[in-house]
Amino acid sequence: KAGVTQTPRYLIKTRGQQVTLSCSPISGHRSVSWYQQTPGQGLQFLFEYFSETQRNKGNFPGRFSGRQFSNSRSEMNVSTLELGDSALYLCASSLGVDLYGYTFGSGTRLTVV
Amino acid sequence: AQTVTQSQPEMSVQEAETVTLSCTYDTSESDYYLFWYKQPPSRQMILVIRQEAYKQQNATENRFSVNFQKAAKSFSLKISDSQLGDAAMYFCAYRTPNTGANSKLTFGKGITLSVRP
Repeated sequence: KAGVTQTPRYLIKTRGQQVTLSCSPISGHRSVSWYQQTPGQGLQFLFEYFSETQRNKGNFPGRFSGRQFSNSRSEMNVSTLELGDSALYLCASSLGVDLYGYTFGSGTRLTVV
Repeated sequence: AQTVTQSQPEMSVQEAETVTLSCTYDTSESDYYLFWYKQPPSRQMILVIRQEAYKQQNATENRFSVNFQKAAKSFSLKISDSQLGDAAMYFCAYRTPNTGANSKLTFGKGITLSVRP
């Protein structure tokens, strides 16, 4: 079966712009989590959605937001981009009840210039 | 808050040899899960092995095994018969079994493993 699909793979944006990243989970998976990966801070949890509801949120400013659709696809949005938002954004999906069955996508590499 | 520490930023191993990657964590919980993930240049995080804290037996997956020391809060990964394809970043991660507020993975900083032919 198809894995977790993240689009786009690469993105270059200018400071002050906004960006939307997409994640399509494995079919049947109802939970989608987002992580930011940077060389300095490592992997940090952004948020998790389960059945269209945000179930958990990490310690990021309000410029970072997300949503999940009825088909479990998820988007995350970053507004008013800053240079420090340059990172690899990873999405992980799971059944939501299988507490350790995470499958990750290959990420979106965002560069803010 | 839970923390995961990987103190070795880089390690190198000769092909066919054995290498051990270290990880320590801090938690006040008694029930939790621990994981090792591999991230090759393709960027996708791949689950290598997982351990439930309530199980005393160390997890094993083919050439990969863990040494789980709950009292010491230590969770090391041993890779036997190292192969060139094992070269990657390896992350140790922690998660509580609860859904909701704590339903997230907490990762260590990672270790870059290189394999010498």
